[in-house]
Amino acid sequence: GESVGLHLPTLSVQEGDNSIINCAYSNSASDYFIWYKQESGKGPQFIIDIRSNMDKRQGQRVTVLLNKTVKHLSLQIAATQPGDSAVYFCAENRGFGSSARQLTFGSGTQLTVLP
Amino acid sequence: GAGVSQSPSNKVTEKGKDVELRCDPISGHTALYWYRQSLGQGLEFLIYFQGNSAPDKSGLPSDRFSAERTGGSVSTLTIQRTQQEDSAVYLCASSQSPADTQYFGPGTRLTVL
Repeated sequence: GESVGLHLPTLSVQEGDNSIINCAYSNSASDYFIWYKQESGKGPQFIIDIRSNMDKRQGQRVTVLLNKTVKHLSLQIAATQPGDSAVYFCAENRGFGSSARQLTFGSGTQLTVLP
Repeated sequence: GAGVSQSPSNKVTEKGKDVELRCDPISGHTALYWYRQSLGQGLEFLIYFQGNSAPDKSGLPSDRFSAERTGGSVSTLTIQRTQQEDSAVYLCASSQSPADTQYFGPGTRLTVL
């Protein structure tokens, strides 16, 4: 799961298995959450987002779950593939007056898919 | 279509020199964001533009950092008198409007010797 600090949490899964990446957010006022995937040497790539009025949202092979009671977010990847190997970041919008999306990022989780 | 582009992709500079980093957002995106990513860390928000104005500069770490945006498009992040702790990847993102999804560029890796 996500944590603050210099050591990146890691998750290793077998190709074809499902992956679950967890994230704890800190601000109960956050109303928008995003998962990004970052491959080495590249910028973060949008995967899926969810607003606080929802508790689940599905995309292609990915599902995001939001538990506002415990301030927890998870990303589920079905049938994990080698191309899914990357660092995954959750981000929350803590919001400010202008309604712009200032995103606060977690430190990321390194997902490694094993052959 | 074209995504967010940044230049240079890599920049090595000596301590005390000034550097300029450039971001070309996705055409038509009105909002532009700068973030900094240190090794093994998440992204740290620096500054946000809506059009050419910056309503939120709260993330700029010091007065050595400044940014501007012209024509509602290209943005430049300037770091004066660079320090070794400025070494990081500087990422730019843009969104169609402030409430929309942010799309990131590939980043500029800055190394201060």
